[in-house]
Amino acid sequence: AQTVTQSQPEMSVQEAETVTLSCTYDTSENNYYLFWYKQPPSRQMILVIRQEAYKQQNATENRFSVNFQKAAKSFSLKISDSQLGDTAMYFCAFMRTGNQFYFGTGTSLTVIP
Amino acid sequence: GAVVSQHPSRVICKSGTSVKIECRSLDFQATTMFWYRQFPKQSLMLMATSNEGSKATYEQGVEKDKFLINHASLTLSTLTVTSAHPEDSSFYICSARDRLSSSYNSPLHFGNGTRLTVT
Repeated sequence: AQTVTQSQPEMSVQEAETVTLSCTYDTSENNYYLFWYKQPPSRQMILVIRQEAYKQQNATENRFSVNFQKAAKSFSLKISDSQLGDTAMYFCAFMRTGNQFYFGTGTSLTVIP
Repeated sequence: GAVVSQHPSRVICKSGTSVKIECRSLDFQATTMFWYRQFPKQSLMLMATSNEGSKATYEQGVEKDKFLINHASLTLSTLTVTSAHPEDSSFYICSARDRLSSSYNSPLHFGNGTRLTVT
């Protein structure tokens, strides 16, 4: 079974500062995909960034980047220059080759003005 | 971009009645759709995988006779909560992947969710 763990239920960061959200996962598969999704108060799920497990290079998307450590099964999200609009729940997600997504427990991020 | 429409956004029903939730992919075709349930301040729990033209695959612990899933076309999947009870009150979210996507890392496109309240 796949499990995704986010050990930080709540975090806060000052506007314009940098914050890192952690995620670990457990799987016996070698090929898989990892994602970070954002869920603002509107409850709409929004894709933030994705990473293929077979790629060693960490994915980046503007202010968002990941630190993917395959051996450690770790997939953290770094948000640089935090903005008020970044306030949301953030979910780490694991996708197996059967296309099922499994989500972590979520981290509630608050950006403080 | 890919849009998934979920209807209704909110529904209140009486205990013992059934409620149907629709999930439509508006500008793409989806052979596979997924249904999730989310409790307040908790994660999305995968309930079932809906496959067009075949039976849905349910996750362990999800009652298939209570949560009926029908995926009759490439753009529509429905979730029917039968004989609803107050403990079925929750936020239900559907998602889909574009069947024409050539990349295995293509993300899911999510509906806006349905808040079900059973009184």
